[in-house]
Amino acid sequence: KAGVTQTPRYLIKTRGQQVTLSCSPISGHRSVSWYQQTPGQGLQFLFEYFSETQRNKGNFPGRFSGRQFSNSRSEMNVSTLELGDSALYLCASSFLVSQGRVGTEAFFGQGTRLTVV
Amino acid sequence: KQEVTQIPAALSVPEGENLVLNCSFTDSAIYNLQWFRQDPGKGLTSLLLIQSSQREQTSGRLNASLDKSSGRSTLYIAASQPGDSATYLCAVKSGTYKYIFGTGTRLKVLA
Repeated sequence: KAGVTQTPRYLIKTRGQQVTLSCSPISGHRSVSWYQQTPGQGLQFLFEYFSETQRNKGNFPGRFSGRQFSNSRSEMNVSTLELGDSALYLCASSFLVSQGRVGTEAFFGQGTRLTVV
Repeated sequence: KQEVTQIPAALSVPEGENLVLNCSFTDSAIYNLQWFRQDPGKGLTSLLLIQSSQREQTSGRLNASLDKSSGRSTLYIAASQPGDSATYLCAVKSGTYKYIFGTGTRLKVLA
């Protein structure tokens, strides 16, 4: 069974540019979450999607956005990149029977390492 | 607001030792708690998931316990090996579809 796949693995972008990261969840998983990991702030929640609906968003500026497609694949976009956006971006997928909150195990991808120069 | 703390921040032990990693959370109204392992520059690998109704879970040399009333979880690693060297993270899921992560314990097992 394939795990969570994130592409690309590494990105180098210039300040002011925008970037799109992709996440393919485990087959059958309908919940996809995104997290940002930095040495200073640790792992911070960005947003969570279930069946193409964003159910929660973390405390990040509007430059960070995301979406989920009908096949559960998700993308996140960061516009007008800043140096502080350099981080490891992690995607997690979970299987939920319904829209309930009691979660099953979350599985993470290998992440996308974004460097803004 | 849920806050998760992990102690110690770093730990170095000789191979073969049994060790305990601690995780504390401030709000006992949780749905579940999950322990992860992260190798440098890599993603998170799930180790154990404990639902709020459970007291402990075991997988191989790993045992995780949960005490909601005191806001604590412990991860016990038996007979540690150099391959166990990694950062261990605990994460708590409450009512908002997201995990709140601790800052991690960086473990080094010396051969």
